[in-house]
Amino acid sequence: DTEVTQTPKHLVMGMTNKKSLKCEQHMGHRAMYWYKQKAKKPPELMFVYSYEKLSINESVPSRFSPECPNSSLLNLHLHALQPEDSALYLCASSYSGPEGGYTFGSGTRLTVV
Amino acid sequence: AQSVTQLGSHVSVSEGALVLLRCNYSSSVPPYLFWYVQYPNQGLQLLLKYTSAATLVKGINGFEAEFKKSETSFHLTKPSAHMSDAAEYFCAVSDQRDSNYQLIWGAGTKLIIKP
Repeated sequence: DTEVTQTPKHLVMGMTNKKSLKCEQHMGHRAMYWYKQKAKKPPELMFVYSYEKLSINESVPSRFSPECPNSSLLNLHLHALQPEDSALYLCASSYSGPEGGYTFGSGTRLTVV
Repeated sequence: AQSVTQLGSHVSVSEGALVLLRCNYSSSVPPYLFWYVQYPNQGLQLLLKYTSAATLVKGINGFEAEFKKSETSFHLTKPSAHMSDAAEYFCAVSDQRDSNYQLIWGAGTKLIIKP
């Protein structure tokens, strides 16, 4: 299995809703990432988990809450989002060293109304 | 700190013509460099990577890139463009931060293929 699977592919939520994005990989990667990508821009790093521990939080607002239940799963819990949070949310995984490159999921297209 | 510059936010070539996408990096240590492709409404796919084993790196879909230390460049090429190559291309360098490695991204280049 050489894939990162993200669900759902599309999500529309109101500003008072609570929802979760899910990400799963079975490649034995021990680093997992959440990225936010706006149109025509490179991805922006949000969180990094290394060996199931949160190791980087790029000053992301608390309305985004990551969770890593085990080495294969990564969640992003969403609450009280703003319209400007509408974007493509990408999950990625990699080996822990610098040379492996990342494997990305196909993303969740989030629209906040 | 590492950085990546991609020259040209848009590159337009005719089908069958040479594709050249430019990437320059800044790094104080031997870099690990990557090219990713993103098709509309999809995630990013690794095209190829440089990890110091060979300066000419071959990737998927007929793409290759050459690492030139003297020019701090890692340009992406393909001899003959296909319509299916139309996409956004990102160059990235691996950067160490504490005990982690993260990718530093270029701004991206949109490749347009003219029939």
